[in-house]
Amino acid sequence: KAGVTQTPRYLIKTRGQQVTLSCSPISGHRSVSWYQQTPGQGLQFLFEYFSETQRNKGNFPGRFSGRQFSNSRSEMNVSTLELGDSALYLCASSLVPSGSGQGNEQFFGPGTRLTVL
Amino acid sequence: SQQGEEDPQALSIQEGENATMNCSYKTSINNLQWYRQNSGRGLVHLILIRSNEREKHSGRLRVTLDTSKKSSSLLITASRAADTASYFCATDVTDSWGKLQFGAGTQVVVTP
Repeated sequence: KAGVTQTPRYLIKTRGQQVTLSCSPISGHRSVSWYQQTPGQGLQFLFEYFSETQRNKGNFPGRFSGRQFSNSRSEMNVSTLELGDSALYLCASSLVPSGSGQGNEQFFGPGTRLTVL
Repeated sequence: SQQGEEDPQALSIQEGENATMNCSYKTSINNLQWYRQNSGRGLVHLILIRSNEREKHSGRLRVTLDTSKKSSSLLITASRAADTASYFCATDVTDSWGKLQFGAGTQVVVTP
């Protein structure tokens, strides 16, 4: 089974631009979670999608948004980029959402390294 | 605030030695998962231990869970240079809906 894939792997943008990152979960997985990782803040939860619906959202500004398609693929978008948005963005998939009472693993993709200049 | 906190923050050992790192958390959990990350790449899932389990093994990895103390430990036996990485614990909390709560990680360096 193929793992979680993320595209692109690297991105360089300038302040004020917007960016869209893509995530394809493991086949059969319906839950997709997004995380931001920075040296200062560590791994922070952005949001989770299950069956095309956002079920949970972290403490990020509205510039961060996402969506999930019927095939469970997910995209996240960051508008009006700021220098502080430079980070590794990680996507994870699982059969069902964590915290739903069913113990199941979250598997991560390789990440997208975003640099904002 | 972070749910999980790893200890130590950094660990330096020689090949062949065992590496032990600990994770403490604050609230009741469904399960606890350990991950490895090599130099800014994606997280590799190592092992999941459920709240009703006390110990699990996978190859050279041994994980324990003590829910009364809200703590877990990861033991890597007979370390190899390839084990050099950051190790994170992540907790799955009821009603967290897709959100694993991560600690800051333990950086492990294994020297030949």
